[in-house]
Amino acid sequence: LAKTTQPISMDSYEGQEVNITCSHNNIATNDYITWYQQFPSQGPRFIIQGYKTKVTNEVASLFIPADRKSSTLSLPRVSLSDTAVYYCLVGDLGGGSYIPTFGRGTSLIVHP
Amino acid sequence: NAGVTQTPKFRVLKTGQSMTLLCAQDMNHEYMYWYRQDPGMGLRLIHYSVGEGTTAKGEVPDGYNVSRLKKQNFLLGLESAAPSQTSVYFCASSIQGDRVRNTEAFFGQGTRLTVV
Repeated sequence: LAKTTQPISMDSYEGQEVNITCSHNNIATNDYITWYQQFPSQGPRFIIQGYKTKVTNEVASLFIPADRKSSTLSLPRVSLSDTAVYYCLVGDLGGGSYIPTFGRGTSLIVHP
Repeated sequence: NAGVTQTPKFRVLKTGQSMTLLCAQDMNHEYMYWYRQDPGMGLRLIHYSVGEGTTAKGEVPDGYNVSRLKKQNFLLGLESAAPSQTSVYFCASSIQGDRVRNTEAFFGQGTRLTVV
């Protein structure tokens, strides 16, 4: 299982773009990158998933360079409600063996 | 569509007591998981199940047992509760398939357990 490294915490202000980078140097060929968001007193929820290049949805964008050894979750124009813990997961989604494994995540605090 | 429902939401136990946490999902998911979350520790996998009648140990299985008698339910048991098991417990479920399909895990709202 590829090990991931994320910053423990980040601070931002409302209206700014936030980029959270996850390092996964030993990512395997079949591994996908998945990000989850967890609000206080709630279970995590899926944000975005990708394999390479760029993925965008209504919540965030995920940038993955060609070597795939890192990925960056980008949150455009954050608001106070984006204060949460963000988790980066890496694993092979196929073959029926994928078990979501969470690290400590990145605690993002958005200030007024 | 309720998704993943955990029962109870809160519980206080005395050391040595037993209890069972129930997780129910209505999405026909094959895989189900139990995690615990302690302050600053992220989520740690306790046990998981890849289908009805199957269970497997996760990262921190000691002191817990699980059962998956029905596809939609995954039970987590504490036979003799200890203060170290004070935590927030999350259940999740997901489909499993090939790389084309999303394997998003859906989480319940959590059970806050205090052992005194």
